[in-house]
Amino acid sequence: DTGVSQNPRHKITKRGQNVTFRCDPISEHNRLYWYRQTLGQGPEFLTYFQNEAQLEKSRLLSDRFSAERPKGSFSTLEIQRTEQGDSAMYLCASSLSLTGSNYEQYFGPGTRLTVT
Amino acid sequence: QKEVEQDPGPLSVPEGAIVSLNCTYSNSAFQYFMWYRQYSRKGPELLMYTYSSGNKEDGRFTAQVDKSSKYISLFIRDSQPSDSATYLCAMSVNYGGSQGNLIFGKGTKLSVKP
Repeated sequence: DTGVSQNPRHKITKRGQNVTFRCDPISEHNRLYWYRQTLGQGPEFLTYFQNEAQLEKSRLLSDRFSAERPKGSFSTLEIQRTEQGDSAMYLCASSLSLTGSNYEQYFGPGTRLTVT
Repeated sequence: QKEVEQDPGPLSVPEGAIVSLNCTYSNSAFQYFMWYRQYSRKGPELLMYTYSSGNKEDGRFTAQVDKSSKYISLFIRDSQPSDSATYLCAMSVNYGGSQGNLIFGKGTKLSVKP
């Protein structure tokens, strides 16, 4: 499968614990995005990377959230001291962005986080 | 007022019907408009992508953008039960440039009955 993959697909954790999610983008894509989706809502942008550089962060991304893309390939999203309000689907998307070219964002299946 | 408004439905139609899905938006800087389909517990799947105003057709799907009215539509002809899903509109200011993050509507849940 050459699409965007995310692991784990489902994570249940207790309030106050730390969790980490992984995203593997489509191999030739240089841009990687993280979104959060709650029930009945559309995805909301969290942050994105171009290669290994984190270029933009939403105000939704509190200081308990950190994302990395160390070698410009896979990315991790960590949530520290989880709260019940963090329960959501965390989606990763990737795209190819070259100078003068615009390409589509392709989404992974998501990681569903449940904080009890 | 949210930047992108979309009626969440649910919308139920008989098989073979023409389906019309719509979004309105407030940010006149939006230039790129997309429609995604999302099945239950799956990630969004890109259906259509249009730039600025105009129409785009792909098989049974037609996307329309009216920037003067800040209104976009997705039409599905000869709808099938397999089209049953949530349809999300999304838009961005600068698709491939310095930003490119998408602003989504809430999604419209569509059910096509056999």
